[in-house]
Amino acid sequence: DMKVTQMPRYLIKRMGENVLLECGQDMSHETMYWYRQDPGLGLQLIYISYDVDSNSEGDIPKGYRVSRKKREHFSLILDSAKTNQTSVYFCASSSGGNYAEQFFGPGTRLTVL
Amino acid sequence: QQKVQQSPESLIVPEGGMASLNCTSSDRNVDYFWWYRQHSGKSPKMLMSIFSNGEKEEGRFTVHLNKASLHTSLHIRDSQPSDSALYLCAARNTGYQNFYFGKGTSLTVIP
Repeated sequence: DMKVTQMPRYLIKRMGENVLLECGQDMSHETMYWYRQDPGLGLQLIYISYDVDSNSEGDIPKGYRVSRKKREHFSLILDSAKTNQTSVYFCASSSGGNYAEQFFGPGTRLTVL
Repeated sequence: QQKVQQSPESLIVPEGGMASLNCTSSDRNVDYFWWYRQHSGKSPKMLMSIFSNGEKEEGRFTVHLNKASLHTSLHIRDSQPSDSALYLCAARNTGYQNFYFGKGTSLTVIP
């Protein structure tokens, strides 16, 4: 069963706290992504990972960092969260071929107070 | 700069009607297009893909692609209330792993 999982699904943090969002996939996909989605702005790419320890900034990497130590697991870290990082965060994975689609996780709704 | 533009931003159609959604890329290197559907509170799920000029039909859904104009369109016939969702267009260049997403078209089908 092809699946992308995300934990936690909902998270409330105070400004300045650290945040860890976790993503897993069971499809052995090489490429994984972190997006945030805000009303009217669509999906914005934060980071892309091509494989273990091979990560690249997306369009809005400021304030975020990532970690990928195993192919099936990709973490998004917010050091000292800010209120403008309140958003819905989606993880996705893809096999990387030209015709390959992205599979999305269920999302994490993060609120920073 | 948004590489993928979608229109209209929102669309209301009656149940049983036809919904037509548009997507254009400003990047001439784009080769592949996908349409994703995202119901409220859920994650995007791939609906259809198109990589060659022409038309592709799957049930009530038809997608067109004109590579010369980098324009794709999605048509939903006999629209159902369950089709109410945000429709996202995604594009990608050959050899690159980045997907470019448009801001989406919000479709509402009224019973």
